[in-house]
Parts: sequence; C-alpha cells; structure tokens
Amino acid sequence: DAGVTQSPTHLIKTRGQQVTLRCSPISGHKSVSWYQQVLGQGPQFIFQYYEKEERGRGNFPDRFSARQFPNYSSELNVNALLLGDSALYLCASSLAGQPQETQYFGPGTRLLVL
Amino acid sequence: AQTVTQSQPEMSVQEAETVTLSCTYDTSESDYYLFWYKQPPSRQMILVIRQEAYKQQNATENRFSVNFQKAAKSFSLKISDSQLGDAAMYFCAYRRGNNFNKFYFGSGTKLNVKP
Repeated sequence: DAGVTQSPTHLIKTRGQQVTLRCSPISGHKSVSWYQQVLGQGPQFIFQYYEKEERGRGNFPDRFSARQFPNYSSELNVNALLLGDSALYLCASSLAGQPQETQYFGPGTRLLVL
Repeated sequence: AQTVTQSQPEMSVQEAETVTLSCTYDTSESDYYLFWYKQPPSRQMILVIRQEAYKQQNATENRFSVNFQKAAKSFSLKISDSQLGDAAMYFCAYRRGNNFNKFYFGSGTKLNVKP
C-alpha cells in the first residue's frame, strides 16, 4: 500500500500570494492532520480533520484554512503569504484520529516564500 | 498549555554503544500519550515508540526503550547498540488522551552516530 503522499514536493511563492497544498492519506485512514515545521524546529500542529469535519486547530491565523474531501484527501490553503510561512508542511494520517493511534507522516511540501 | 522540552540540540554516539535522549513535558492532564519520532535527513518522519501515561511499564521496541517518569514528567529514549541508520533528528511528542487533536512536539535532538 502507498504511504501518505503530498504534492507538490517543493514550491516557491512570493509574499501576498496564495498557496494550496495537497495530501492523500493511507488507504482506509479517515483522519488527516497538518503540521508546519520551520527549519530547525519541531512540527507545529495546524489542523486535524476527521470524516470531513475539523476536529482541532492550532494557534495559526485565519490565513490558514483546510478541508477534507469525501475520499479523505485534504488540502491546506494559505492566503496572503508572509516570509515567515516558509517551512516544511507535513501531512499525517491515521485510522480515526484517536490519540493513541500511530500517525503516518508524508514526505512534506517545502514552501519557500520570497 | 502543554509544552515539550528537549534540552539536547545535538548528541553523538559511537556505533554499537548506548545513548539516551532526554525529554520533559508540562501538563495538568492525567490521560495522555507520549511518543518518540525519528526524522532522517530528507526522509519521512516515522514513529519509534509510544507510551501510554496510564501504563507504569516502560515501553520497549527492539533496541529502543523509554524511561517514563510520570511524576517528574520525564520521558527519555534509550537507544542500545546504536547503528549508523539511527542517525536522524529525534522528536519527543505529547498528545492528550481525551480528544482528537493537538499533537505537541519538542524542538528535536540531532543524533550523530560515529563509525
């Protein structure tokens, strides 16, 4: 079975632009979470979705939004990009989003904002 | 608010020797889970080991084991018989047990393994 996949792998944008990142979870997984990992730091939780509903949100501005589709894939949107949004964006999936479950991470999308 | 602290930004170990990575966390919850994740250079993050807070017994996974001290809010990772493939960033993480969301990660420890 394929693991968690993310697209694109790399992206370069300029300040003020908007970006959409995509994630496909492992087959059978219904929960998707998004994380931002700034260089040299640990991942920071952005969102969790389960069965197309938002289950949790981290301390990120409203410029960040996400959604989950009926096939459980997910998109993360960031509007009005700032230089500080440059980071590795990680997607992780799990069966039902329960706290004890193993989260499986994708390879990430590296976003550079110029 | 929950916080996870890894006080060792970088550590080195000789191949075949043992190394311990430290992690402390702050929480007022009694039900939670702790994790160690490994992130090799330019590769995906993978789970190394998981500990349920309600379990007194320390988790072990082959060469990896933890020392979970609940009262001290400490969760260290011991890697025995270190191998070159163990070289990676290691992240300690915390997750509350009573809801779906919010996974808190530490800042990571870079482990170097010397041949």
